Formats: sequence, C-alpha cells, structure tokens
Amino acid sequence: GAGVSQTPSNKVTEKGKYVELRCDPISGHTALYWYRQSLGQGPEFLIYFQGTGAADDSGLPNDRFFAVRPEGSVSTLKIQRTERGDSAVYLCASSPKRRHQPQHFGDGTRLSIL
Amino acid sequence: GDSVTQMEGPVTLSEEAFLTINCTYTATGYPSLFWYVQYPGEGLQLLLKATKADDKGSNKGFEATYRKETTSFHLEKGSVQVSDSAVYFCALSDLSQGAQKLVFGQGTRLTINP
Repeated sequence: GAGVSQTPSNKVTEKGKYVELRCDPISGHTALYWYRQSLGQGPEFLIYFQGTGAADDSGLPNDRFFAVRPEGSVSTLKIQRTERGDSAVYLCASSPKRRHQPQHFGDGTRLSIL
Repeated sequence: GDSVTQMEGPVTLSEEAFLTINCTYTATGYPSLFWYVQYPGEGLQLLLKATKADDKGSNKGFEATYRKETTSFHLEKGSVQVSDSAVYFCALSDLSQGAQKLVFGQGTRLTINP
C-alpha cells in the first residue's frame, strides 16, 4: 500500500522567506510525527500529533516553526523567516495509535536556505 | 533527558565478516528500543525492535538483545553482505513516560566491500 508521502522532495529558498512542507500519512494512522535531520546526525524530534491536536510540541526550536493537522490526516510544517541554520532534511512519520507500533517514515524534504 | 549513544563510524568490513554496532541508552523510564536503517537513496526503515528486557529483536539476519542491566541494544549480524551497506540508527521511545517520540543516536555508516 501507499507509504508516507512528503512534498516537495527538495526545496531551495532564500533566507528570510516562508516555507511550507507537506506530509500525507499512511491511511488510518492517527499519530503523526515531524523530525529534523541535519547532515551526519540522527533525526531530532520536532512535534507529535494524535489526531488533529499537537500532543507534544516540545521539540520545536523556536516560534518560527509551527505545524498543523486540521483534519487529522495531512499535516503541514511551516517555517517563517527562514535562516541558514534551518537547512536540513525534514522527516515525517506516522503510526497507528496502539502502543509499541513502529513509526513509518517518508523520504523527507531536503530544505536548503541560501 | 533520554539519550542514545552509538558506536562512531564509519565502519568498513569485507563481505561475510561479523558485524557489531554498539548502542547504549539512558532513559528515565522503561523504553522500547529500535534499530532503523537508511539504505542509499531511500527513507528510514524499521529493522527490528524490542519492547522489554531480555527481548531479542531479529530481521534479515540482524539481531539485537535488550539488556537492561547494561542499558545496551547492540546490533549484530553473523555474515554481512554488500547489500547491507547503509546507515544504521539506534533509537528509543519511552512510552512509560507518556512520550511517543523517538530519540535517535547519531547513526553509523556501514560499508561492505566485496
């Protein structure tokens, strides 16, 4: 079946611009996660949704970052006033609500801030 | 907070060699442990998992045993193949603390030469 889909696969923009990254989870998965992976590092947690609400946003680095999931399916990660340090691969994952179920990852969006 | 420490890479082996990638963790609760793999040009995939002490996760010839006394989850394979070349990530999820997020190690790049 279809996996987690992330668009765009690559995004290049200038410092100071606004960007939106989209994640379409596996159908029926109620949990959705965003992570950020810098070069040579493991993914770092940003935010977790259970349904439409953000259950844990403790990983968002500052108030330039926020994410929404208005209908409990597709999610959008939004970054305002981008900085060069925001350059990374942004990963989305989804999982069923049941405990101990593994997260399934998308291929990520590679964001480059010039 | 919770953390994962992996054996630093890169690791280069010959085909049919024995593989060990070390992973240790710190957690305030009782975490589930995972190994994820990222093949060249592909997204993160779950390789194996263990949810309680002394559990052994296994898949594709890889094994890892949850050792609570040494807070470790080392990845092993008896005879590696060229197709095992990838980046391997150890991770934990501490559901006992109510946290659904994954905490990753920094990753270990494995190259297998024919």
